[in-house]
Amino acid sequence: NAGVTQTPKFRILKIGQSMTLQCTQDMNHNYMYWYRQDPGMGLKLIYYSVGAGITDKGEVPNGYNVSRSTTEDFPLRLELAAPSQTSVYFCASKMRQSQETQYFGPGTRLLVL
Amino acid sequence: EDKVVQSPLSLVVHEGDTVTLNCSYEVTNFRSLLWYKQEKKAPTFLFMLTSSGIEKKSGRLSSILDKKELFSILNITATQTGDSAVYLCAVEAGSGNTGKLIFGQGTTLQVKP
Repeated sequence: NAGVTQTPKFRILKIGQSMTLQCTQDMNHNYMYWYRQDPGMGLKLIYYSVGAGITDKGEVPNGYNVSRSTTEDFPLRLELAAPSQTSVYFCASKMRQSQETQYFGPGTRLLVL
Repeated sequence: EDKVVQSPLSLVVHEGDTVTLNCSYEVTNFRSLLWYKQEKKAPTFLFMLTSSGIEKKSGRLSSILDKKELFSILNITATQTGDSAVYLCAVEAGSGNTGKLIFGQGTTLQVKP
């Protein structure tokens, strides 16, 4: 199993540009999550999904959108990039059962200039 | 508002020292508390704690939860330079089995030779 994979690893965006961060997991996990981590801080939840076709907002959803058309994929869309979105983005997934840990992808580092 | 607070924020020790990292929380409908280690990449899972007073142990690392006083500690004995990392505490809380985590800001541990 590859686990949770994310692309790209690093991207520079200009203010106002849009992009999609890709996340795929091959563990057949129902639950998937997007977090952002600013320098020196913990992770903050952006959006999450408990299954295909179901998504919900986390703590910091403004400026982002998600979709979940398949169990495997959970892309994160930035429509109008702003400098405040400069961060490292982590995707994670877990099994539906309680008391199971989340597995994290390697992260995407995004710089908005 | 749900909150997870870690202390200290940073710590410098020498190899062989023992360290104690703290995590306190104020959340609604506590489900579990997790510890992760992050070494400049994705967080990796260390422990999940759900019951008070039961120590979880893995090699030189151990952790315990106090649900009455709402905190957890992570102990690392005989520290090594490879223990240098950010240690993240996260709490799963809330109604419904969504697996959403609230992270603390992390403790940066530097172990000097």
